[in-house]
Amino acid sequence: KAGVTQTPRYLIKTRGQQVTLSCSPISGHRSVSWYQQTPGQGLQFLFEYFSETQRNKGNFPGRFSGRQFSNSRSEMNVSTLELGDSALYLCASSPEPADYGYTFGSGTRLTVV
Amino acid sequence: DQQVKQNSPSLSVQEGRISILNCDYTNSMFDYFLWYKKYPAEGPTFLISISSIKDKNEDGRFTVFLNKSAKHLSLHIVPSQPGDSAVYFCAAPNRDDKIIFGKGTRLHILP
Repeated sequence: KAGVTQTPRYLIKTRGQQVTLSCSPISGHRSVSWYQQTPGQGLQFLFEYFSETQRNKGNFPGRFSGRQFSNSRSEMNVSTLELGDSALYLCASSPEPADYGYTFGSGTRLTVV
Repeated sequence: DQQVKQNSPSLSVQEGRISILNCDYTNSMFDYFLWYKKYPAEGPTFLISISSIKDKNEDGRFTVFLNKSAKHLSLHIVPSQPGDSAVYFCAAPNRDDKIIFGKGTRLHILP
């Protein structure tokens, strides 16, 4: 059974650019959540999608957005990148919302220069 | 406001001994807790959970204890093995089903 796949694994962008990250959940998993991991803040919740609808949103500015497709694949977008957006972005999937035993992907390491 | 706190950024334990990782929480509404383990360059993996109706849950070498009155939980690993070297995150879902993570504790198992 394939795990959660995130692409790309590494990304370098310059300030002001935008970026799109992709997440393919485990087959049959319909809930996808995104987290940002930084050394100082740990894992912080970005948003959760279920049935192509954003179900939950964390305390991040509007530059951070996401969407989910009918096949449960999800993308997140960050516009007008700032240096502080450099982080590991993790996607997690679960069969249903509130099924807390998430399976995480390996993440996308974003570096903003 | 940090609702889930792991006050020890790192911990070193001799192989074969017991590792005890601690976690405190401030939100008395939390009723379910999880531990995740993370290796470098990999995503966190779910390790063990506990519901607030229990005070202990055991899975092989891993046991989680919950002290609701103290708002404290701990993860015990016995015996500690080299492969246990990783970052451990304590987490709890809030009323909106957002999972709130602690900042993690890096566990080093010494040979």
